[in-house]
Amino acid sequence: KAGVTQTPRYLIKTRGQQVTLSCSPISGHRSVSWYQQTPGQGLQFLFEYFSETQRNKGNFPGRFSGRQFSNSRSEMNVSTLELGDSALYLCASSLDGGHANEQFFGPGTRLTVL
Amino acid sequence: GEDVEQSLFLSVREGDSSVINCTYTDSSSTYLYWYKQEPGAGLQLLTYIFSNMDMKQDQRLTVLLNKKDKHLSLRIADTQTGDSAIYFCAESKNRDDKIIFGKGTRLHILP
Repeated sequence: KAGVTQTPRYLIKTRGQQVTLSCSPISGHRSVSWYQQTPGQGLQFLFEYFSETQRNKGNFPGRFSGRQFSNSRSEMNVSTLELGDSALYLCASSLDGGHANEQFFGPGTRLTVL
Repeated sequence: GEDVEQSLFLSVREGDSSVINCTYTDSSSTYLYWYKQEPGAGLQLLTYIFSNMDMKQDQRLTVLLNKKDKHLSLRIADTQTGDSAIYFCAESKNRDDKIIFGKGTRLHILP
């Protein structure tokens, strides 16, 4: 069974641009969660989508948004990029969400904002 | 509020035991987890414990929970070079709630 895949793996953008990251969950998994990982703040929860609906949300500004499609694939969008948005963005999928026992993480997308 | 704290670095000699500590603030946390992140990879769930348990052992891993002090620890027996990674402590209130992670402890293995 294929694992969680994230594309692209690396991305370089400049301030003010916007970016879209993609996450394909494990087949059959309906929940996708997104996390931002930085050396200073560690791993912070962005949001979780389950059956195309946002179920949980972290404390990030509205520039960070996401969506989930009917095939459970999810995209995350960051508008008006800032230098501080440089981070590793991880997504995790699970069958029905919530319980970390069932969460599987992708390798991440490393975003660099210049 | 919700907060999970852990020390940032730990150095251990190969063959010794590693003990990684974590404290959390939310007394309503129900699930407590340990994740491992190897270089260039995502997070991998190592083990978890429910808040009504004191201890859980899984091969070389032992998790201890002191609910009164809100203290969680992960002990790795006979530490090997392959154990070199960042270890994250995390908690959540219930099955559908978000998961709060600590900043991670980087475990360095000395020869």
